[in-house]
Amino acid sequence: AQKVTQAQTEISVVEKEDVTLDCVYETRDTTYYLFWYKQPPSGELVFLIRRNSFDEQNEISGRYSWNFQKSTSSFNFTITASQVVDSAVYFCALSEAANYGGSQGNLIFGKGTKLSVKP
Amino acid sequence: NAGVTQTPKFRILKIGQSMTLQCTQDMNHNYMYWYRQDPGMGLKLIYYSVGAGITDKGEVPNGYNVSRSTTEDFPLRLELAAPSQTSVYFCASSYGGPGNTIYFGEGSWLTVV
Repeated sequence: AQKVTQAQTEISVVEKEDVTLDCVYETRDTTYYLFWYKQPPSGELVFLIRRNSFDEQNEISGRYSWNFQKSTSSFNFTITASQVVDSAVYFCALSEAANYGGSQGNLIFGKGTKLSVKP
Repeated sequence: NAGVTQTPKFRILKIGQSMTLQCTQDMNHNYMYWYRQDPGMGLKLIYYSVGAGITDKGEVPNGYNVSRSTTEDFPLRLELAAPSQTSVYFCASSYGGPGNTIYFGEGSWLTVV
């Protein structure tokens, strides 16, 4: 069955520290997609990144980087030199290409990791 | 850029009342979704639609109904509100199915008392 686990419920760091948010997924599909979303205190969900299962290259976007490892079924997210504005709940999510009686294109979400960055 | 717009943003309902959460998108997306988010939890799918006139149940459909008469609009109806429906509701849309990025509205905070 498909599942996304974010084991870290809350993380607190001081500004300028690096922080890594863990994401482990389970799927029986060979083609799947992984996402990260950010939910700031204002409540909206902001798309950060999408990665397909055939592309294991790491991605870097400014202070953000993502490490996708199929061997460990992980898609971890690192923020370098964290800032107060990074404080948010971060969700990892999975979408499978096949529809195993589920909902097409639906995202399976982890429970989220609340990141607090203190000045 | 409007994207996905949902209304109202906040609402308090009494037990047994009904209401409709409105959702519209201007990106000409085929797929639309309704999710709910309970405290400390990820989002769970209530209903989805792959196009006008087509809807289907998600993981937690009980107590809700939807319709999709146009590509743009996907309202969610709560019938006979119950305290268990107190949640944050998100409407979302995407161009296609699996792998397409899903874009979310700003959320609707609903409290049933």
